[in-house]
Amino acid sequence: AQSVAQPEDQVNVAEGNPLTVKCTYSVSGNPYLFWYVQYPNRGLQFLLKYITGDNLVKGSYGFEAEFNKSQTSFHLKKPSALVSDSALYFCAVRDGSSNTGKLIFGQGTTLQVKP
Amino acid sequence: NAGVTQTPKFQVLKTGQSMTLQCAQDMNHEYMSWYRQDPGMGLRLIHYSVGAGITDQGEVPNGYNVSRSTTEDFPLRLLSAAPSQTSVYFCASSYRGGGNAGELFFGEGSRLTVL
Repeated sequence: AQSVAQPEDQVNVAEGNPLTVKCTYSVSGNPYLFWYVQYPNRGLQFLLKYITGDNLVKGSYGFEAEFNKSQTSFHLKKPSALVSDSALYFCAVRDGSSNTGKLIFGQGTTLQVKP
Repeated sequence: NAGVTQTPKFQVLKTGQSMTLQCAQDMNHEYMSWYRQDPGMGLRLIHYSVGAGITDQGEVPNGYNVSRSTTEDFPLRLLSAAPSQTSVYFCASSYRGGGNAGELFFGEGSRLTVL
């Protein structure tokens, strides 16, 4: 069975500082990994994904994520946080050996960027 | 393109009433799914479909029915609403296979309250 864990309910960071939002996963086949962002009272928006290839993937709004197979992690990062990055972030996993496209999400991490 | 359209945006039900949440997408996506979002629980998959006439259960299917008669539409039915079904419901769609699978497009959500 697939599962995703986001160990932090909330991450606080000052504007201009680097940020990291953590994610670990469990999947039986090859992992397809995703990050989504949710702004208040909106649906989720796709940020970035890892399917194969380079372990460091770049996405929208200056975000990037690092895939680490040995640690089964896929942490979201940004070199310099903006106040407008404040939102709810979700990590998700799909079993790459499955053709259903079914995605399982973590609990979400609230990112608070303070001026 | 409208993307993924959910109706209604808000609904209040009494225990035991039935209703249908509508979801339509105009991107010709094979894969469609329903999630519920509850505080501290993240998004949990209710039902999903990989094409017209094909549906399957997700993590929390009890109390919900779905059907997929066309590629565009994927309604979610609550046959006898219970207070535990108070939640925000999201419909999401994507291409089924290849590298784009898992890049979900979300609707804006339907907030349901069961009294």
